[in-house]
Amino acid sequence: DAGVIQSPRHEVTEMGQEVTLRCKPISGHDYLFWYRQTMMRGLELLIYFNNNVPIDDSGMPEDRFSAKMPNASFSTLKIQPSEPRDSAVYFCASSFWGSNQPQHFGDGTRLSIL
Amino acid sequence: QKEVEQNSGPLSVPEGAIASLNCTYSDRGSQSFFWYRQYSGKSPELIMFIYSNGDKEDGRFTAQLNKASQYVSLLIRDSQPSDSATYLCAAPSPSGGSYIPTFGRGTSLIVHP
Repeated sequence: DAGVIQSPRHEVTEMGQEVTLRCKPISGHDYLFWYRQTMMRGLELLIYFNNNVPIDDSGMPEDRFSAKMPNASFSTLKIQPSEPRDSAVYFCASSFWGSNQPQHFGDGTRLSIL
Repeated sequence: QKEVEQNSGPLSVPEGAIASLNCTYSDRGSQSFFWYRQYSGKSPELIMFIYSNGDKEDGRFTAQLNKASQYVSLLIRDSQPSDSATYLCAAPSPSGGSYIPTFGRGTSLIVHP
């Protein structure tokens, strides 16, 4: 079975540019999560969706960040304009509903803003 | 503020020893707990899940849960160099009909030959 698929795996861009990260969750999963991981802050939840609807975006650091899930098989996380402090690894994860349901993570996108 | 606390380490153990990783959580609404392993440059992968007080064993791994003390631990027996990784503890909390995990910062484990 295909796992969570993220693209691109690596992104290097200059400050001020728009960055779009993509995610395809596991088919049938109800929830999709976007995380950011840094050495300083660990794994931070940015936003999550339930059945394609954004539920909680309180973790999104600034208005420069936005996320969409137009259908059950695709989500994007966009940063515009990007800044060097946005450099991190961004993970997408998906899961079924339930306290006993683990999250399945994609391979992540390593983002470097110069 | 829901919190999951882990000692960042690194925890260094010799090959063949028992590695003990600990985690405390603040939300008593959390009923189940997950341990993920994350190799450097890779994504977290699930290794253990526990929801009942006591021990749960899976191969060389044993998860222990004490809800009264709000404490979860992971024991790795016969540690191998391939176990060297960061171990993340996660505690899902009820939130508006959903269960949203809070992750600890992770404990770095180094198993030396």
